[in-house]
Amino acid sequence: QKEVEQDPGPLSVPEGAIVSLNCTYSNSAFQYFMWYRQYSRKGPELLMYTYSSGNKEDGRFTAQVDKSSKYISLFIRDSQPSDSATYLCAMSATNAGGTSYGKLTFGQGTILTVHP
Amino acid sequence: DVKVTQSSRYLVKRTGEKVFLECVQDMDHENMFWYRQDPGLGLRLIYFSYDVKMKEKGDIPEGYSVSREKKERFSLILESASTNQTSMYLCATKQETQYFGPGTRLLVL
Repeated sequence: QKEVEQDPGPLSVPEGAIVSLNCTYSNSAFQYFMWYRQYSRKGPELLMYTYSSGNKEDGRFTAQVDKSSKYISLFIRDSQPSDSATYLCAMSATNAGGTSYGKLTFGQGTILTVHP
Repeated sequence: DVKVTQSSRYLVKRTGEKVFLECVQDMDHENMFWYRQDPGLGLRLIYFSYDVKMKEKGDIPEGYSVSREKKERFSLILESASTNQTSMYLCATKQETQYFGPGTRLLVL
């Protein structure tokens, strides 16, 4: 079983839809949670970053972390064709001092297409 | 803005060749990483480095080595390239979280 599971999709939605992307994980030591967006033939770019449980909002994007269920989500409101990309969840553990080791474990990535 | 550059965007090599992939960052970060990305497998960590001349194996180090002689530069070496090393190679550097370079698409014939 993989440490991080992510539905690879592909997911196709009409412009303006609300998109929900999810990952589950098994390692209870994970404390740092990230979402990356990767356009075709480019490197991943950091979209959202949260520490421990809770919600974080940035414009049309909302990240949620539920550590009790080992489940994280990314919501995209009013989706646009420019949101078409692969979305990768990533997470890392922490040491006793609370500092991330920096070593990330990634989900497989979900391919999203937003059509006009 | 963090800038991570990789020496080549596309590379074609023959089986058995020695291949160097170079990564340079401009933010004085201590931690640097090399991943490969394959369809259906996601990103897998090959090697990482916490400081100059320090390196640690990731999840799939076999067939690879690394070099970190200067803080800003982290090189990935394929000692004898094989066709199963055809992949997208991504370098990353870390502050609070990781920032990636544009990637190198390597084709080994």
